[in-house]
Amino acid sequence: SQELEQSPQSLIVQEGKNLTINCTSSKTLYGLYWYKQKYGEGLIFLMMLQKGGEEKSHEKITAKLDEKKQQSSLHITASQPSHAGIYLCGADSAGTASKLTFGTGTRLQVTL
Amino acid sequence: DAGVIQSPRHEVTEMGQEVTLRCKPISGHNSLFWYRQTMMRGLELLIYFNNNVPIDDSGMPEDRFSAKMPNASFSTLKIQPSEPRDSAVYFCASRGDAQPQHFGDGTRLSIL
Repeated sequence: SQELEQSPQSLIVQEGKNLTINCTSSKTLYGLYWYKQKYGEGLIFLMMLQKGGEEKSHEKITAKLDEKKQQSSLHITASQPSHAGIYLCGADSAGTASKLTFGTGTRLQVTL
Repeated sequence: DAGVIQSPRHEVTEMGQEVTLRCKPISGHNSLFWYRQTMMRGLELLIYFNNNVPIDDSGMPEDRFSAKMPNASFSTLKIQPSEPRDSAVYFCASRGDAQPQHFGDGTRLSIL
């Protein structure tokens, strides 16, 4: 079965600092999805990566999928308090984009 | 645009009672997913539908759980009888072709 490891489990950074969250799969990925969750709320879609070497950016968040399609990273530049939350990666290892396996999440706190 | 709508947002009930969770997917989406999120197990897929037909229910924990999708705009997840270990946040998500999954705000279920 699909195993998905996220690191770190939690992160506290000072406002303005950069940070990176990693997601590593035990299987080759057909697709990798990044979501953000705030307490008491649902998951907000951030980005979807499907091709090895693919990189996407939105505002100050950049996500990459490595060439072998087994690891993804999420990078936040100049973090802000609004970036605080739990970041989850979801893996599609069957090619259906339906049966996703999610990592355990990375809890991000941004201090002033 | 309206997102995925779930009701109720919170449910507290005694063990043995029947619980029904409801979901209205985004209009035009043809796939619907039910997830459960707990601290111990993270976010787990319970069942998903495509064009109102159940495709994979391998994540449904046991026969006490059932899900239906009578039409394209409504789905229910029912637990009967409920047990304290069913306490969790239940999410519904929907997606259209070649799109990522979009999540509702979840139902926080507490079984006493």
